[in-house]
Parts: sequence; structure tokens; C-alpha cells
Amino acid sequence: EIVLTQSPGTLSLSLGERATLSCRASHSVRSDYLAWYQQQPGQAPRLLIYAAFSRATGIPDRFSGSGSGTDFTLTISRLEPEDFAVYYCQHYGDSPRRTFGQGTKVEI
Amino acid sequence: QVQLVQSGAEVRKPGSSVKVSCKASGGTLRSYGLSWVRQAPGQGLEWVGGIVPIFASPHYAQKFQGRITITADRSTGVDYMELTSLTSDDTAIYFCARDLGTSDFWGQGTLVTVSS
Repeated sequence: EIVLTQSPGTLSLSLGERATLSCRASHSVRSDYLAWYQQQPGQAPRLLIYAAFSRATGIPDRFSGSGSGTDFTLTISRLEPEDFAVYYCQHYGDSPRRTFGQGTKVEI
Repeated sequence: QVQLVQSGAEVRKPGSSVKVSCKASGGTLRSYGLSWVRQAPGQGLEWVGGIVPIFASPHYAQKFQGRITITADRSTGVDYMELTSLTSDDTAIYFCARDLGTSDFWGQGTLVTVSS
């Protein structure tokens, strides 16, 4: 079973700054099967990135995903007020089971 | 546009069970799978289980094996997640989500509170 470890737990930044979030897998995964979600308080998660690099429909280009093997990164190039939220990585693999990381909170 | 509408909040006593529903509208949901994800208060997302069409039967996270049942009623377009032998640790918001591998459409969430 894949275990995803996200770091840091909390990222304190200012508007306009760059955010770099990390997701490390316990063993190598296919890039096709790594996604990122954003969750605002009181809301359901929103899909941001799938297949490690591809932005989901309607996601601004300040969000980008990268990485391979065991190390993946979500980058927010310039933080907007609505970007302060919790971010989760997810592995979805060939099996029907899904795994989430524990989350990174981006705060002002 | 797919919409997933879940049943309302539930309060249960320890040891009892709960059944949450998720109705899809506005798309061919049944071409895809449906996952259930829960979130305990102040905690992260936890995949509980789901149905993926290419696999014949539902799949569950190991920790829930034996006390969870996920079903899909194709005649009504409603999916169900039933959890038995509830404890206070099962207090959480339970989400259903369309499963394409990733989940692009989510229900509004159902709060299940387990309290004596």
C-alpha cells in the first residue's frame, strides 16, 4: 500500500508569494496516477491537478504540478487570497483503492 | 454537469449503523465509479471505499473491511454507503465523489455524529 507524506504541515506565506508543496510516496508511483486537491473550510475538495502535471478544467495557470517516482510538487506561482486553503495529494493507481496525503495548510 | 446530492446529517449511538445515500444527476455517472471519502473534525481526507466499473465488486479500505458495505442501485441512480459497529472515531463528514481515478465532482457531504 502506498503511503503519501506531505510537507510542510503548514506553510505561512503572503499574497503574491510562491508556494511549493511536497508530496512523497513510500515507493515509486506512476506519474499518471498522482493528483492534487484544494479544500476550503466547510467545502468539498476541488480537483486541481491530475496525472501529476495536468490542470483540471477551470484551474488557473498559476497552479502547476511536477515530479516523478516518489517525489511530487505542487507550485502556486503567485498566491491569491482564495488560494489560502488545505491541499492534498492523492494516488489512484491501477487498483481501485485510493490514498490521500495528510494535507498541507497554506495560511497567511 | 454532474451533481451529487447526499442524504442529510445523522446522529447515531455507539454500536449502531448508518446508511448514507448519494444521488447523481446531470450526467452519465454510471459510466464511472463512485468513491466515498470521509473527514473527521479537523482532520484530513480518508478514502473509505468505492465502486469502479471495471472491477466487478466494491473495494474498501483495509481498516473498514467487515463493517462497510457500498452498493449502487442502478434503477434509481442512487449509491449507498453503510457503516456498522459505529464508534466515536467514525464521527466525520462523509463525501461521495465521482471516481475517474481522480474525483472531479463531489457531493456536499453528510455529517455523521456518533455519540451516546
